[in-house]
Amino acid sequence: EAQVTQNPRYLITVTGKKLTVTCSQNMNHEYMSWYRQDPGLGLRQIYYSMNVEVTDKGDVPEGYKVSRKEKRNFPLILESPSPNQTSLYFCASSPGTMTNEQFFGPGTRLTVL
Amino acid sequence: GENVEQHPSTLSVQEGDSAVIKCTYSDSASNYFPWYKQELGKRPQLIIDIRSNVGEKKDQRIAVTLNKTAKHFSLHITETQPEDSAVYFCAASKNNAGNMLTFGGGTRLMVKP
Repeated sequence: EAQVTQNPRYLITVTGKKLTVTCSQNMNHEYMSWYRQDPGLGLRQIYYSMNVEVTDKGDVPEGYKVSRKEKRNFPLILESPSPNQTSLYFCASSPGTMTNEQFFGPGTRLTVL
Repeated sequence: GENVEQHPSTLSVQEGDSAVIKCTYSDSASNYFPWYKQELGKRPQLIIDIRSNVGEKKDQRIAVTLNKTAKHFSLHITETQPEDSAVYFCAASKNNAGNMLTFGGGTRLMVKP
């Protein structure tokens, strides 16, 4: 089944404790992105990647890191999480050529205490 | 950067009525405008999109119109049904691959039976 997966789905952590949210897609898509969703603010892009080893900042990159060592994986790293990073996070992938549709993962709800 | 504003933030209609959601964008270089639907607790899914070389696009009960001069685009849903109840997001991109998406704040549509 073609899909984007994220883990964990739910995470409660404390300020300053490094964490990684994994994202994987099995559709051989070139493009991958991370978004955060907050009430009234819609979805804001954190980082995106157009190919292996190619990443760039989105609109709200501060406090986040990403890597794209393999085509299928695009982990989101929070080196020192803070309460203002409490949010719902979505990973998405897109073939980027014939279609621009972004396929979203199921979301990760993160709470930073 | 791009700024996308979406109105209204909430919309309540009677089943069978039409619903219209409007978005404006700031960057005249934007050329791709998708709409995503997010049901409660689910991931966003693409429902329709339009490119800047087209003024209108229809898919059954949904349609999108684009006015490049005024820099606004709208989603029209006719004959609304309870299953249309969801949050709808518009977005804009000036990247042909549609991966640098800027989303509007979302519209919560409630269709009353």
